[in-house]
Amino acid sequence: AQKITQTQPGMFVQEKEAVTLDCTYDTSDQSYGLFWYKQPSSGEMIFLIYQGSYDEQNATEGRYSLNFQKARKSANLVISASQLGDSAMYFCAMRGFLYNTDKLIFGTGTRLQVFP
Amino acid sequence: DAGVIQSPRHEVTEMGQEVTLRCKPISGHDYLFWYRQTMMRGLELLIYFNNNVPIDDSGMPEDRFSAKMPNASFSTLKIQPSEPRDSAVYFCASSLGGENTGELFFGEGSRLTVL
Repeated sequence: AQKITQTQPGMFVQEKEAVTLDCTYDTSDQSYGLFWYKQPSSGEMIFLIYQGSYDEQNATEGRYSLNFQKARKSANLVISASQLGDSAMYFCAMRGFLYNTDKLIFGTGTRLQVFP
Repeated sequence: DAGVIQSPRHEVTEMGQEVTLRCKPISGHDYLFWYRQTMMRGLELLIYFNNNVPIDDSGMPEDRFSAKMPNASFSTLKIQPSEPRDSAVYFCASSLGGENTGELFFGEGSRLTVL
């Protein structure tokens, strides 16, 4: 069975500092993808970044980077130079690429608060 | 391009009434997902379709819930009869599959309140 674990219910970070949001996963699939989504208070789900299980380099998208450690089954999100607008819920998710595992499952989320 | 379109955005109904939520996925996407989000349970996958065929409905809470996808551009999630514990935000999402990354594109959600 697939499982995503986010152990930090809430995190605080000062503006302009970097912050790491933790995510560990469990799967028996050899091929899978890891995702991070942002959900601001307005409620929409915003895709941030993707890492494939066979990608050798860590994914980066602007201020977002994914620290992928396959052996440890972790896929932490790093946000550099935090901004007030980064305050939101952040969800880690995983999707297998085999039949019947090709669904996206989510962790419980981490609420990030950025303060001035 | 239009994104995933859900309707209604908000629904308030009384216990026992039938509720129908609708979703139009992004054209060309062959996967469609229904999620439910509550404070207590987070984001739960209810059911997903591939090429209009239900693949996994193990997340559907009980027989009161049903979902259909009669064609590639439309899906419904029906609750009959509704109960107060069904109050939640229901998200529809669609994606490509195969060689693609599989990123899900979400609709804005339908907020359901059952009194």
